[in-house]
Amino acid sequence: QSALTQPASVSGSPGQSITISCTGTSSDVGSYNFVSWFQQHPGKAPKVIIYEGNKRPSGVSNRFSGSKSGNTASLTISGLQAEDEAEYHCCSYAGSGTWVFGGGTKLTVL
Amino acid sequence: QLQLQESGPGLVKPSETLSLTCTGSGGSISSTSYYWGWIRQPPGRGLEWIGSVYYSGTTFYNPSLKSRVAISVDTSKNQFSLQLKSVTAADTAVFYCARLPTTHQVWDLWGQGTMVTVSS
Repeated sequence: QSALTQPASVSGSPGQSITISCTGTSSDVGSYNFVSWFQQHPGKAPKVIIYEGNKRPSGVSNRFSGSKSGNTASLTISGLQAEDEAEYHCCSYAGSGTWVFGGGTKLTVL
Repeated sequence: QLQLQESGPGLVKPSETLSLTCTGSGGSISSTSYYWGWIRQPPGRGLEWIGSVYYSGTTFYNPSLKSRVAISVDTSKNQFSLQLKSVTAADTAVFYCARLPTTHQVWDLWGQGTMVTVSS
């Protein structure tokens, strides 16, 4: 069970859109529609913003969206805002009751 | 509204056992609707799932940690616990407890996290 692969960092200007990728394998991302995304501000616990691939919890902005193609999941943030600057983590079910996370991506809003 | 709170020593010596407890308030750990789990985050790094437990005691562990980990639940105290044996400096991390609904595959509720440092 290896960690999912995310870019270490991405950046964008206010109002732009950015996409963060999360690459796994056919044993995790590719096999299940159970990818979630978390937003984590410094010193805080992660907060779920996307679950089961493309669902948003109540209260999460519709500027956040998720998708998947093959073994790669993606998080898109549209209309970037200053408060979106944070660390983003992907997570996938990996079968037999196990879970795997990505290494995290730091988003900088320029 | 359920809240989760981690507790335990902030400093553990190498080769010893790290023990943490997660206490639920405002809701029941013995609910059949959730799994409970531990997730850690080494300083400056990503999240790592450690393992999960159901109210019945059924457990699931990260294969890379399985030989050193034990997670248990005590419904009478509304708590679940983590034990990690033979720790090294590489186990230094913020440890989070979290909830996984049986109806939605997502870790939807997290404790605030507790920092554990492994050092002599």
